[in-house]
Amino acid sequence: GAVVSQHPSRVICKSGTSVKIECRSLDFQATTMFWYRQFPKQSLMLMATSNEGSKATYEQGVEKDKFLINHASLTLSTLTVTSAHPEDSSFYICSAVLDGQGGYEQYFGPGTRLTVT
Amino acid sequence: LAKTTQPISMDSYEGQEVNITCSHNNIATNDYITWYQQFPSQGPRFIIQGYKTKVTNEVASLFIPADRKSSTLSLPRVSLSDTAVYYCLVGAQNTGGFKTIFGAGTRLFVKA
Repeated sequence: GAVVSQHPSRVICKSGTSVKIECRSLDFQATTMFWYRQFPKQSLMLMATSNEGSKATYEQGVEKDKFLINHASLTLSTLTVTSAHPEDSSFYICSAVLDGQGGYEQYFGPGTRLTVT
Repeated sequence: LAKTTQPISMDSYEGQEVNITCSHNNIATNDYITWYQQFPSQGPRFIIQGYKTKVTNEVASLFIPADRKSSTLSLPRVSLSDTAVYYCLVGAQNTGGFKTIFGAGTRLFVKA
């Protein structure tokens, strides 16, 4: 099946620094990717929709200047958490939609655990 | 976007069949129904997807009634390793793109 990778798998950073998380579709092209965050014992919360070659669409309540998304190619989307604070500590998950299948095939990455100290 | 409702949690024993039902009363004509499984600190894993009637693969079956306002994921003979959260999602590609919204999911506990 289609594989989506995320890098890094976990990261610890100090408050005030920025962290970049990469999401790659390894064996397929994905015009559309999604970014989610998940707190312990909770469901995934959609943060934004990332479309290759255009600006990301953010969900209500998600600060676009804080969570910068770049989808520069059909296989790579990045999420940069700028000026991270402890409340940004969470599990970040991306997903990629397989092109050419009507949008019905979506594959998830393994997630990135961010801890801000 | 069609909202989904699932039981918060379910318990089962090894070897039993587990059926998890999801309600999606506002499902649209183009929407597909997809089920995912998630283990702690991992990304969701695709289980099965369907549009209507019954779909079966090597791990599960998905039953969808004619009105498509609900669906049931059936896991045959569960094992301890099936303990996880199961999410039912409804969505389709629309003009301008689409997005997938996760509901609360169902926590399945399989006991020995």
